[in-house]
Amino acid sequence: EVQLLESGGGLVQPGGSLRLSCAASGFSFTTYATSWVRQAPGKGLEWVSAISGGNTYYADSVKGRFAISRDDSKNTVYLQLNSLRAEDTAVYYCAKGHIGAVWWVDPWGQGTLVTVSS
Amino acid sequence: DIVMTQSPDSLAVSLGERATINCKSSQSLFYSSNNKNYLAWYQQKPGQPPKVVIYWASTRESGVPDRFSGSGSGTDFTLTISSLQAEDVAVYYCQQYYGTPYTFGQGTKLEIK
Repeated sequence: EVQLLESGGGLVQPGGSLRLSCAASGFSFTTYATSWVRQAPGKGLEWVSAISGGNTYYADSVKGRFAISRDDSKNTVYLQLNSLRAEDTAVYYCAKGHIGAVWWVDPWGQGTLVTVSS
Repeated sequence: DIVMTQSPDSLAVSLGERATINCKSSQSLFYSSNNKNYLAWYQQKPGQPPKVVIYWASTRESGVPDRFSGSGSGTDFTLTISSLQAEDVAVYYCQQYYGTPYTFGQGTKLEIK
């Protein structure tokens, strides 16, 4: 069974950093693309970043502040969040894409909450 | 960036009746080389992560009831639930994957009338 488990969320001050992890079971991140999508409290979905093969992609709102990476030995994808702002407060989901392309994503993990506040 | 606009923002439908949600993109999502529209629909129930119900604009995900259908091409798309069931109460999102950033619509909240 394909499963994804996010971790690393928490409370951080504005300007701070966090590293989110997404651990996969049932498939290999080496082969499949992965996306991060966030959802601010009571709001809609916002695509944040994706990694597919050696390529990385970012939303304009996080470009230069967030970095996506992958550790194949741990079958884990990371999202490094730097220079955090209040508007980055959200549940961050990782989700599985496809071989060689992101396209639609499914399944999704349960999400990890990031709260940016002083 | 491709802007995705859904209508309506919320919808109340009686059990057993048809529910229709629309999604419009700011540019065509049709790729002529493979004759596909790069659009997906997701269902998010309260307290749960989203799950895909339709991809390639009209392909139903495995396990999704056949009362769910997707249609449209180019810039205008529709998700239809032919006979609303209580378990279909959710927020529905369209998403384009034609190009990054892979933008979502703002969501449509579907409720029982």
